[in-house]
Amino acid sequence: DAGVTQSPTHLIKTRGQQVTLRCSPKSGHDTVSWYQQALGQGPQFIFQYYEEEERQRGNFPDRFSGHQFPNYSSELNVNALLLGDSALYLCASSLVARTDTQYFGPGTRLTVL
Amino acid sequence: AQSVTQLGSHVSVSEGALVLLRCNYSSSVPPYLFWYVQYPNQGLQLLLKYTTGATLVKGINGFEAEFKKSETSFHLTKPSAHMSDAAEYFCAVISGNNNDMRFGAGTRLTVKP
Repeated sequence: DAGVTQSPTHLIKTRGQQVTLRCSPKSGHDTVSWYQQALGQGPQFIFQYYEEEERQRGNFPDRFSGHQFPNYSSELNVNALLLGDSALYLCASSLVARTDTQYFGPGTRLTVL
Repeated sequence: AQSVTQLGSHVSVSEGALVLLRCNYSSSVPPYLFWYVQYPNQGLQLLLKYTTGATLVKGINGFEAEFKKSETSFHLTKPSAHMSDAAEYFCAVISGNNNDMRFGAGTRLTVKP
């Protein structure tokens, strides 16, 4: 049983570009949450998706957007990249009724030059 | 809004010594509390969680934590440290119907031979 998978593993972009990160949830899970972890800090909640809709959002600008597909996989899009967007982006999956039990993927390391 | 404070960004212990990682939370409603471990270049792995019931929670790898409402604390302990315990540890909280999991800044545990 595959756990949470994320792609790509690493990504290098330049300021102003756009990026798309992908996440496949653990089998049987229907809810996906995204987190940003800057170097030396704890993860920060970006948003959560369930039934293809954004269920809750953290304190992130509109440059951060997402999508959830019918198969529960999800994408995180970031527009107009800033140097400060460089971070490890973590995806976590859960059941909507049990968001207290989240399984995390290995993350995508985004570097903005 | 809920929040978490981890006291000590870096803790160093000798192999076989007691491990104590401190976490204090702030929440206006009964919280769900979590400890996660992160090894280099990996995602987060759940060590243990408190939701309701018994305040002493046992987790994986010999770790345990005690929820103390009067002290708003959820400290993580392990009686005897192993070299393999060296990692970054994060305390996190969810409150009420809020799906926004808030993480502390993390504590890096070093285990000396």
